[in-house]
Amino acid sequence: EDQVTQSPEALRLQEGESSSLNCSYTVSGLRGLFWYRQDPGKGPEFLFTLYSAGEEKEKERLKATLTKKESFLHITAPKPEDSATYLCAVQAWTNFGNEKLTFGTGTRLTIIP
Amino acid sequence: NAGVTQTPKFRVLKTGQSMTLLCAQDMNHEYMYWYRQDPGMGLRLIHYSVGEGTTAKGEVPDGYNVSRLKKQNFLLGLESAAPSQTSVYFCASSTRDRGYEQYFGPGTRLTVT
Repeated sequence: EDQVTQSPEALRLQEGESSSLNCSYTVSGLRGLFWYRQDPGKGPEFLFTLYSAGEEKEKERLKATLTKKESFLHITAPKPEDSATYLCAVQAWTNFGNEKLTFGTGTRLTIIP
Repeated sequence: NAGVTQTPKFRVLKTGQSMTLLCAQDMNHEYMYWYRQDPGMGLRLIHYSVGEGTTAKGEVPDGYNVSRLKKQNFLLGLESAAPSQTSVYFCASSTRDRGYEQYFGPGTRLTVT
């Protein structure tokens, strides 16, 4: 069974204080690892897909990296508007379709001005 | 494009009542999903559809039924609501052409008393 564990559960940073969020996963064969951002009261918003170990993707102050066992979401010099819950999800290769994702429980990030 | 829309946004039911949640997408995506999100549990897949007229069970299907009569719509039904079904429900859609990244609706907050 595919499993995704995110840590820490919650993280409070001062504005400008860089840090990383962790997503560790167990999957029979990884097809893709997805990062989402979720603001309170809203649906998750897609950020990145990573497909192979060593791959990196960036968007503004966010950079996602992938190894064979985990992914990191690095946030550089964060601003208060980066406050949100960040979700990680994995997609496994299957014989009958690759359309399902397994989500972690998320990291709630708070950036203090 | 409106993306993924959900109706209603909020609903309060009494135990034993029935209701239907409507999800609509205008992106011509072939895959659609229903999730529930509970504190500490993350997003859990209820049912999903790989195309018009086809549905499949997800991780937590008991107590729910779905139908996809048109490609753009995916309905989630509760035949006899229970307090355990109090949750926030999200609909999502995806396409193979965009790497299966899922696009989410704004959610429906359901309370069963």
